[in-house]
Amino acid sequence: EPEVTQTPSHQVTQMGQEVILRCVPISNHLYFYWYRQILGQKVEFLVSFYNNEISEKSEIFDDQFSVERPDGSNFTLKIRSTKLEDSAMYFCASRDSLSSYNEQFFGPGTRLTVL
Amino acid sequence: GQQLNQSPQSMFIQEGEDVSMNCTSSSIFNTWLWYKQDPGEGPVLLIALYKAGELTSNGRLTAQFGITRKDSFLNISASIPSDVGIYFCAGPKNYGQNFVFGPGTRLSVLP
Repeated sequence: EPEVTQTPSHQVTQMGQEVILRCVPISNHLYFYWYRQILGQKVEFLVSFYNNEISEKSEIFDDQFSVERPDGSNFTLKIRSTKLEDSAMYFCASRDSLSSYNEQFFGPGTRLTVL
Repeated sequence: GQQLNQSPQSMFIQEGEDVSMNCTSSSIFNTWLWYKQDPGEGPVLLIALYKAGELTSNGRLTAQFGITRKDSFLNISASIPSDVGIYFCAGPKNYGQNFVFGPGTRLSVLP
């Protein structure tokens, strides 16, 4: 069964460093998302991406964050200068079309630890 | 803004028991989704509900979209150890692609 994959599974970085989290959405999917989950808390929406541009973003997704689809398969989240409070699980999700509007499939996540 | 509340926050049940949990909102949602998250994993979609009053089953799971469109419940029948995890309700915020998630119900199943 097709699935969303994410790398790395765990990333440790120093405060102020840049990190890039990578995702490979399901191959025929057109809509891509990033969510984060701070330890013990609920899942929070960051950004949605369609047709090579951001379609929606939350107040969490400030200028420190950016997303990119550098090729036909990868979808990345970049945090320019990490802060301690960026430590969280980051989940990528994808869906194929409006006919499956709400069926977003999530990857296993990347645990980001900022020291 | 739109927020989701879930109850109970956590529950401990004996294997074989039925479970019921619910999700409420102060504002209307046009879709309700139920996800399960295992430790260290991403959320997995269990059931999606699209119409007020809709009752949908997926194996031992049954979920209903409340008539007022402000609530939903999830039932699990004859619980088994692999039902352990956190169950989240979610819905699209302001009819957009931005999903809002509830805080989750943590389920523990005792043998």
